[in-house]
Amino acid sequence: AQTVTQSQPEMSVQEAETVTLSCTYDTSESNYYLFWYKQPPSRQMILVIRQEAYKQQNATENRFSVNFQKAAKSFSLKISDSQLGDTAMYFCAEGQGAQKLVFGQGTRLTINP
Amino acid sequence: DSGVTQTPKHLITATGQRVTLRCSPRSGDLSVYWYQQSLDQGLQFLIQYYNGEERAKGNILERFSAQQFPDLHSELNLSSLELGDSALYFCASSVEAAWGDSPLHFGNGTRLTVT
Repeated sequence: AQTVTQSQPEMSVQEAETVTLSCTYDTSESNYYLFWYKQPPSRQMILVIRQEAYKQQNATENRFSVNFQKAAKSFSLKISDSQLGDTAMYFCAEGQGAQKLVFGQGTRLTINP
Repeated sequence: DSGVTQTPKHLITATGQRVTLRCSPRSGDLSVYWYQQSLDQGLQFLIQYYNGEERAKGNILERFSAQQFPDLHSELNLSSLELGDSALYFCASSVEAAWGDSPLHFGNGTRLTVT
């Protein structure tokens, strides 16, 4: 069965610092997709970044980048130059591009001024 | 704005009652997904429809049902409600049946409170 684990329930950093959120997953599939979603207080789920498992290169989107370690089944999110607007719940998710997208329990990130 | 519209935003009802949640997908998206997010939990996949047909089922209770209509909007029906059904219910849509190349776009959710 698919499982996604986020071991950090809460994190807090100062504005402009770099922060890394951890995620590990377990799947028996050889090809799959990994995602980070952000859920601000507005509660909307916003796609931050995604990674296709067959691609070796780590995905990047502006200040957001991932460290994808396929053998270790690890998919961490790095936020550089953090901003107040980055304050949100962050969810890691994994799926095979078919139907069932499995989410972790989330990490509550607070950016302090 | 994701383009996915969910109504109502909030719903308060009593145990034993039945409610209907509505979702309009992004223009052009054929696939609709329903997720449940209980307090401080991750999202749990409930069910998926593609172009009017059920495509996949997750942890959906028998008291819950859904459908997708010809105009592609979807409704999630929750009956015999229990206190534990209180949650945020998200709808998401994607272009294809398989979302790998077309990521999910989420609505703002419907907050259901059962008293």
